[in-house]
Amino acid sequence: AQSVAQPEDQVNVAEGNPLTVKCTYSVSGNPYLFWYVQYPNRGLQFLLKYITGDNLVKGSYGFEAEFNKSQTSFHLKKPSALVSDSALYFCAVRDWMGTDKLIFGTGTRLQVFP
Amino acid sequence: DSGVTQTPKHLITATGQRVTLRCSPRSGDLSVYWYQQSLDQGLQFLIHYYNGEERAKGNILERFSAQQFPDLHSELNLSSLELGDSALYFCASSTTGYNEQFFGPGTRLTVL
Repeated sequence: AQSVAQPEDQVNVAEGNPLTVKCTYSVSGNPYLFWYVQYPNRGLQFLLKYITGDNLVKGSYGFEAEFNKSQTSFHLKKPSALVSDSALYFCAVRDWMGTDKLIFGTGTRLQVFP
Repeated sequence: DSGVTQTPKHLITATGQRVTLRCSPRSGDLSVYWYQQSLDQGLQFLIHYYNGEERAKGNILERFSAQQFPDLHSELNLSSLELGDSALYFCASSTTGYNEQFFGPGTRLTVL
């Protein structure tokens, strides 16, 4: 069965420092991976995706993610964190078992301190 | 703004009642997905419609049903509501199953 894991419930980082939010995946077949962000009382906003190609994927708001096949990871990164980046981040993988659904991780709360 | 709209934003109702949640996908998107977000279950897939036809079901209770209409908007019907049905219900749309899904703002359902 396909799955993603986000090992950290919360990540704390100071403004201006680089941030990393971790995600590992388990899929049969080629992974289609996604990152979403959820602000309080808002829907999920798409940040970026990996389908194929370059292992470094650039997305919205200065975020990027690195796909690592050998480590089955897809970590979200940003060179310089902003207080406004504080939110809940979800990693997801497309289901290959005929549903096209997204299978989400449990989410990581990012807190950026001034 | 994702382009996906959901109504109502909030819904408060009593146990045993029935409610309808509505979703309008982004212009041109044929696929509509429904997800439930709760504290204990996280984000769970409920059902997927493509161009009016049901494509897949997930962890959707028999008390729940959905449909997608010819104009591509979708409705999620929840009946015989229980306290445990209180959650955020999201609708998402996409062009194909290979593309990202765009989420609406959600409907927060509170069952008292």
